[in-house]
Amino acid sequence: EVQLVESGGGLVQPGGSLRLSCAASGFTFSSYAMSWVRQAPGKGLEWVSAISDSGGRTYYADSVKGRFTISRDNSKNTLYLQMNSPRVEDTAVYYCAKGQYNWNEQLDYWGQGTLVTVSS
Amino acid sequence: QLVLTQSPSASASLGASVKLTCTLDSGHSTYAIAWHQQQPEKGPHYLMKLNSDGSHIKGDGIPDRFSGSSSGAERYLTISSLQSEDEADYYCQTWGAGMVFGGGTKLTVL
Repeated sequence: EVQLVESGGGLVQPGGSLRLSCAASGFTFSSYAMSWVRQAPGKGLEWVSAISDSGGRTYYADSVKGRFTISRDNSKNTLYLQMNSPRVEDTAVYYCAKGQYNWNEQLDYWGQGTLVTVSS
Repeated sequence: QLVLTQSPSASASLGASVKLTCTLDSGHSTYAIAWHQQQPEKGPHYLMKLNSDGSHIKGDGIPDRFSGSSSGAERYLTISSLQSEDEADYYCQTWGAGMVFGGGTKLTVL
């Protein structure tokens, strides 16, 4: 059974930093691209970032480019999102999601999400 | 620019059928999409990948009540024999240079 479990969310001040983690199990983690998707309170889904199976290629939405960094540790079956200089508008539930061999295809498994609140 | 358009809301009666629509912008009318369901207070759940020819591949354990079809730039999700647990938000997703989601349709089961 595929499981994705996010952690690391919480309250962070604007301009601070926070690292999210996503522990994956039930599939060969190193064979699939992974993504982060967020959902602001009461709003729809917004893709944030993706990473290739090896970690060698990364992709970002314009809204987070230069501030967030996606990475993965295939030896630990874990996906990360380093959030630097977060803004109030980054407040959202952050989901990790499993992709396919190619990063830009359908996401077929999702975690339960972790809430990030950016506030002073 | 890759854009997906969904109606904000839909409703149908318990036991009936409903057809939700996701429309691709005219420049990307042949793209495949994916449908996702998000029940209240839960993470999204993948339903299926839907191609421009109407062929679709459903996710693990998705009931036969859920089906997909396509016509031009429109991609449809049909849910038959509606149950109370089908009351949820439904999102379409597509991909190209980036990854894009539609605004979602809130389905109410009456």
